[in-house]
Amino acid sequence: AQKITQTQPGMFVQEKEAVTLDCTYDTSDQSYGLFWYKQPSSGEMIFLIYQGSYDEQNATEGRYSLNFQKARKSANLVISASQLGDSAMYFCAMRVTGSARQLTFGSGTQLTVLP
Amino acid sequence: DAGVIQSPRHEVTEMGQEVTLRCKPISGHDYLFWYRQTMMRGLELLIYFNNNVPIDDSGMPEDRFSAKMPNASFSTLKIQPSEPRDSAVYFCASKGPWGGGTEAFFGQGTRLTVV
Repeated sequence: AQKITQTQPGMFVQEKEAVTLDCTYDTSDQSYGLFWYKQPSSGEMIFLIYQGSYDEQNATEGRYSLNFQKARKSANLVISASQLGDSAMYFCAMRVTGSARQLTFGSGTQLTVLP
Repeated sequence: DAGVIQSPRHEVTEMGQEVTLRCKPISGHDYLFWYRQTMMRGLELLIYFNNNVPIDDSGMPEDRFSAKMPNASFSTLKIQPSEPRDSAVYFCASKGPWGGGTEAFFGQGTRLTVV
């Protein structure tokens, strides 16, 4: 079974600063994918970034980067130059490659960007 | 593409009534997922389909819940009879075929309130 742990229920960051949202995972599978989704107050789930377990380089998408440390089983999301619009709930998720195609989600981190 | 479309966006119903939630996945996607989000349990996978066939319904909480996918462009999640503890946000998501994209795209969700 897979498990995702997000230990920070809430985080605050000053506008324009960088922030790291923690995510650790547990799986016995060797092939898997790690995802981050953003859920603003309007409720929709927005895909941010993906990291494959065999990817040698950390994924980046604009201001988002994923700090992937395979040995430590961590996949932290780094948001650079925070903006007020980044205030949202952030979910880390994992999918094991193979027959099971569903995502397993962490409990989320509520990020608040302060002006 | 318009993305994953869910209807209704909000539903308020009385206990005991039948509720049907609807989802139109992204054209060409062959995986469809139904998730439920609550404060207590976070995001839970209820059921997912591949090529219109239910693959894993182990997350469906009770026999009161049923899901169908009569064709590639439409799925329903039905609760009969509904109970107050079914109140949650229900998300539908779809994903492309293997090798055709990694992330699942979510609809905007249906907020269900059972009174």
